Amino acid sequence: QQQVKQSPQSLIVQKGGISIINCAYENTAFDYFPWYQQFPGKGPALLIAIRPDVSEKKEGRFTISFNKSAKQFSLHIMDSQPGDSATYFCAAITDSWGKFQFGAGTQVVVTP
Amino acid sequence: EAGVAQSPRYKIIEKRQSVAFWCNPISGHATLYWYQQILGQGPKLLIQFQNNGVVDDSQLPKDRFSAERLKGVDSTLKIQPAKLEDSAVYLCASSLGPGLENEQFFGPGTRLTVL
Repeated sequence: QQQVKQSPQSLIVQKGGISIINCAYENTAFDYFPWYQQFPGKGPALLIAIRPDVSEKKEGRFTISFNKSAKQFSLHIMDSQPGDSATYFCAAITDSWGKFQFGAGTQVVVTP
Repeated sequence: EAGVAQSPRYKIIEKRQSVAFWCNPISGHATLYWYQQILGQGPKLLIQFQNNGVVDDSQLPKDRFSAERLKGVDSTLKIQPAKLEDSAVYLCASSLGPGLENEQFFGPGTRLTVL
């Protein structure tokens, strides 16, 4: 069953615009929420992550917003660049053994 | 620092044949993961090793898939016999340990096509 639901499936944004990707989860046992970036032919790479006791985390142009009561979190990519064109996956992890549940992914295309 | 190495990068086989994938994790990483990534989906964890012991194989189709991590370093994932629905990218990842905030580093994957 899909424990982490991600939307949209794809999005196109102009250079300099804001890309927003949303994820929702059901299992309240999840206690760590990373975002991964994947380029074609490569494995996913950690972009940014957040714990549920924090409502927002920013690293450069990437920001995670977390709403614990709604069981939702989102990735905002500010000032989007063509080099940001990739597939982005949200994930949720539960318990100390780091078992991941990934979202289905969002393909982001940044046009020049 | 060298990353996670996987081979082969691509493999095409007929259904009912056998195939094996190899993974060499980052040196010193005790935890190793195998994921299956079907086109258009997120990776799905198949098996997790801590050193040479299995800690989670709940989503591994054990009737056809097997994995081992002898000596707690390299790992192999085998499919025997393969089915059409096994066509996917098989990703190997490693981390220093199993804890929540131990970053998983992914290899480039092996793309398997079953005809």
